Amino acid sequence: DAEITQSPRHKITETGRQVTLACHQTWNHNNMFWYRQDLGHGLRLIHYSYGVQDTNKGEVSDGYSVSRSNTEDLPLTLESAASSQTSVYFCASSDNQGSGYTFGSGTRLTVV
Amino acid sequence: AQSVTQLGSHVSVSEGALVLLRCNYSSSVPPYLFWYVQYPNQGLQLLLKYTSAATLVKGINGFEAEFKKSETSFHLTKPSAHMSDAAEYFCAVRSDTGRRALTFGSGTRLQVQP
Repeated sequence: DAEITQSPRHKITETGRQVTLACHQTWNHNNMFWYRQDLGHGLRLIHYSYGVQDTNKGEVSDGYSVSRSNTEDLPLTLESAASSQTSVYFCASSDNQGSGYTFGSGTRLTVV
Repeated sequence: AQSVTQLGSHVSVSEGALVLLRCNYSSSVPPYLFWYVQYPNQGLQLLLKYTSAATLVKGINGFEAEFKKSETSFHLTKPSAHMSDAAEYFCAVRSDTGRRALTFGSGTRLQVQP
């Protein structure tokens, strides 16, 4: 069965370190998204991609970057982790019709 | 620009009572609308979606929602709450303006009292 997986499930890192969160999907979806979830804010869009070599900034992109070298993967990098980036991160993918979105199980990141 | 407002960050109902979770959206074009549920320490599960077909949409676990264009609303209802419905619920919108990302509301936490 097709799926979308995120790794790691939990991560603790120190302020200033570079961190990369992995997202891998086998749906063959062109569209992939990264969100962060914080209490009282719902899910907010960090970055998104419509295909290989395509990346776009979302509403809360400062301090984050993504790259898309193949259809299956969209890793999220925190260049220099800050305590404000402590959050739960969700990856998602969708078909081009925009009616079918699949979410990963999330990565809980703590920056100390 | 698209946006979603969920009225009430916390809703408490008694078991067996009607569940009503409110969602209003703004969109410059006809939207696609979604309701997701999130149980503690889990990911998001799709409850139902509206994609410009029937305005009354039935989802999983006995939930349904009605798209009302005149009110720009997409409220989620369930006739009789179960203890297992206790969770966080998110409304989301996607406008067909070329941007395919979903915009989420801030969520409503549903408590079900015995």
